[in-house]
Amino acid sequence: DAGVIQSPRHEVTEMGQEVTLRCKPISGHNSLFWYRQTMMRGLELLIYFNNNVPIDDSGMPEDRFSAKMPNASFSTLKIQPSEPRDSAVYFCASIMGQGAPGNQPQHFGDGTRLSIL
Amino acid sequence: SQELEQSPQSLIVQEGKNLTINCTSSKTLYGLYWYKQKYGEGLIFLMMLQKGGEEKSHEKITAKLDEKKQQSSLHITASQPSHAGIYLCGADMNRDDKIIFGKGTRLHILP
Repeated sequence: DAGVIQSPRHEVTEMGQEVTLRCKPISGHNSLFWYRQTMMRGLELLIYFNNNVPIDDSGMPEDRFSAKMPNASFSTLKIQPSEPRDSAVYFCASIMGQGAPGNQPQHFGDGTRLSIL
Repeated sequence: SQELEQSPQSLIVQEGKNLTINCTSSKTLYGLYWYKQKYGEGLIFLMMLQKGGEEKSHEKITAKLDEKKQQSSLHITASQPSHAGIYLCGADMNRDDKIIFGKGTRLHILP
């Protein structure tokens, strides 16, 4: 079975450029999560969607960050303009949540390693 | 403030030795998840605990949730090089789908 698919795996760009990260959740999963991982702050939840609707975006650091989920099989996280402090590994995870029986573990993609020069 | 505390932050263990990693919260946990991460890779789900006093095992890894549902431990018996990586605990604190993660424990196994 295909897991959560993220692209690109690595991204190196200069500050000020727009960065778009992509995620395809596991088919049938209806909740999707974007995380950022750094050495200093660990794994932080940025935003999550349920049935394509943003439920909680309180973790989004600034207006430079935006996320969309136009359909059940695709989501993007965009940073515009990017800054060196945005350098991190960004993970996407999905779950059959909100109404599914019992708690379910989140399934993670392999992440996008982002470096802003 | 960090809602979920993991200890130790890092651990170096001789191959074959046992080890324990702890995860503590000041709040009652409705679900506790253990994940393992290798450098440059995503998180791999290990185990989920929900009931006070629950204990689960998979191969040489055992996870427990205390009766108060505020502390969990992950125990590895007879550690092997394949156990090396970052272990993260995550918790459902609000009975929703959000998981709050600890900062992780970096485990190194010496041959």
